[in-house]
Amino acid sequence: AQSVTQLGSHVSVSEGALVLLRCNYSSSVPPYLFWYVQYPNQGLQLLLKYTTGATLVKGITGFEAEFKKSETSFHLTKPSAHMSDAAEYFCAVSETSGTASKLTFGTGTRLQVTL
Amino acid sequence: DAMVIQNPRYQVTQFGKPVTLSCSQTLNHNVMYWYQQKSSQAPKLLFHYYDKDFNNEADTPDNFQSRRPNTSFCFLDIRSPGLGDAAMYLCATSRDTGMGNEKLFFGSGTQLSVL
Repeated sequence: AQSVTQLGSHVSVSEGALVLLRCNYSSSVPPYLFWYVQYPNQGLQLLLKYTTGATLVKGITGFEAEFKKSETSFHLTKPSAHMSDAAEYFCAVSETSGTASKLTFGTGTRLQVTL
Repeated sequence: DAMVIQNPRYQVTQFGKPVTLSCSQTLNHNVMYWYQQKSSQAPKLLFHYYDKDFNNEADTPDNFQSRRPNTSFCFLDIRSPGLGDAAMYLCATSRDTGMGNEKLFFGSGTQLSVL
């Protein structure tokens, strides 16, 4: 079975500082990996995804993630945090069921951005 | 603008009293999912529909049922809610490409409380 582990349930950074949210995965087949963001009182929305090809994936709002097979990692980064980045971030791995994209999520990392 | 709509935003029910949560979509996606998200835990897939074909996860309790009368609507029925069923319930949709890497579109969720 596939799984993801997110290290750190809470991360706090200063505005303008580097954001690094960690995700490690376990999969017996080449994985599809995702980062979703959940703002307060809203549903999850896709930030970025890795399927095949280029291992550095760029997403919306300046985030990017790098797929590292040797480290089984897919960490999310942003060079400079903004107050509007405060949210909960979920890493996920996809399992193909043939007709659906079934996601297995990590437990999430809540990002706090301080002045 | 809203593409996946869940009603109500908050639902309170009594222990053992059946409750129904609803989800509608304007995306015309053929796959719809229900996830359960308990406090500080990862969203967990309960089941999904591919068109009218129902796909239950192996560990989803029998207490949880679902209906999809047409492409746009999907319902989650909890026949006899227990205290442990208090959670956020997330509905999501996706297109089917058979690739397993599709973007999921989430609703804002229904927060269920069981008294």
